[in-house]
Amino acid sequence: GESVGLHLPTLSVQEGDNSIINCAYSNSASDYFIWYKQESGKGPQFIIDIRSNMDKRQGQRVTVLLNKTVKHLSLQIAATQPGDSAVYFCAEIRENAGNMLTFGGGTRLMVKP
Amino acid sequence: NAGVMQNPRHLVRRRGQEARLRCSPMKGHSHVYWYRQLPEEGLKFMVYLQKENIIDESGMPKERFSAEFPKEGPSILRIQQVVRGDSAAYFCASSPDPGTEAFFGQGTRLTVV
Repeated sequence: GESVGLHLPTLSVQEGDNSIINCAYSNSASDYFIWYKQESGKGPQFIIDIRSNMDKRQGQRVTVLLNKTVKHLSLQIAATQPGDSAVYFCAEIRENAGNMLTFGGGTRLMVKP
Repeated sequence: NAGVMQNPRHLVRRRGQEARLRCSPMKGHSHVYWYRQLPEEGLKFMVYLQKENIIDESGMPKERFSAEFPKEGPSILRIQQVVRGDSAAYFCASSPDPGTEAFFGQGTRLTVV
């Protein structure tokens, strides 16, 4: 659902390790999910998407997993690099809600060199 | 193909003035979304527009805020009689079709003094 006024949780990882960022979504009718990366002072940047008829999708160094049973989405980043440090948001689209893109609360990823 | 262009990047207004935020979608995109973001928080949906039509304005305050997306020209988010609480980053996103990936601009940072 809509993001609320919460401080962002932080995930701290060592450079070279894998990162897993999690997101719980609210509506089982959601059709389409997107992960965005937002660096400080910039707009959200599209990373990877997945449709509700899939449970896994891979990109370059990133994998998105969708578990519709528990309404859970995760983003896995392989061999995390300092340039991956940012805030990561999941977003969902529900066709029965006018295709509005609704964001989750976000997670700050900090990569230690 | 230029990305989503927002201007101005930074806008300072005194209380009671009007703020006009502009968004030029990507070429070929006829769907525009406006979001508001406070520091350390997620993106809160405001309004979804297609060319010349407001599809969903459920996230936009009923007073002082308005949005348009004319047949020609950029989408405009207008805030009349601004108050300090309007200070935030305002992001615009565009997509070619509903329910598909949306690309974001770099945002307009509004400061009300």
